[in-house]
Amino acid sequence: DAGITQSPRHKVTETGTPVTLRCHQTENHRYMYWYRQDPGHGLRLIHYSYGVKDTDKGEVSDGYSVSRSKTEDFLLTLESATSSQTSVYFCAISGQASSYNSPLHFGNGTRLTVT
Amino acid sequence: AQSVTQLGSHVSVSEGALVLLRCNYSSSVPPYLFWYVQYPNQGLQLLLKYTTGATLVKGINGFEAEFKKSETSFHLTKPSAHMSDAAEYFCAVSVSGGGADGLTFGKGTHLIIQP
Repeated sequence: DAGITQSPRHKVTETGTPVTLRCHQTENHRYMYWYRQDPGHGLRLIHYSYGVKDTDKGEVSDGYSVSRSKTEDFLLTLESATSSQTSVYFCAISGQASSYNSPLHFGNGTRLTVT
Repeated sequence: AQSVTQLGSHVSVSEGALVLLRCNYSSSVPPYLFWYVQYPNQGLQLLLKYTTGATLVKGINGFEAEFKKSETSFHLTKPSAHMSDAAEYFCAVSVSGGGADGLTFGKGTHLIIQP
């Protein structure tokens, strides 16, 4: 893996509780992404970041927020977890804006279960 | 907006047989196209990519893909399947140009190798 660590790897939480997932990279890459993977849907972009304190929404951002206070860390927060947010969450990084020059590199994922 | 369609959520082939995984894309601008592989409990790993130039692209593990603009396709092939090829395969598209575009993924194809 390209120096990407996701934590925790597994988490079970109850409906209505807040949850924060962490992505840490050692590549000093500017661009970071959060995807969720669900059967029959492939991977869908939740939020992405193009620099410290610079973030934007992806395709399925409702119910999620992100923060990036340092280049190496990108946090994904579920303010009040719901069962529909049970999923596998992947962090990805890229050195450049366009995938032409720098394809995404993925972490190993966080499996989140909301009961 | 771009999109990707992968034909067949599951493909089963015998060991030693040809592997063909189908991908069709939709994009209003020249696309960049990618194939990723995901082994169980792991993140996604880049197999190959098409950006510009030669339309037949060779990747890792003996896989290759051909970009056919007239057919809007980017099918993945391997002449002889190996048991270790069993995995989930994702086709993805990105539009050209700048910006943190991320990738748009297909829903994935699960490749099963029969002994």
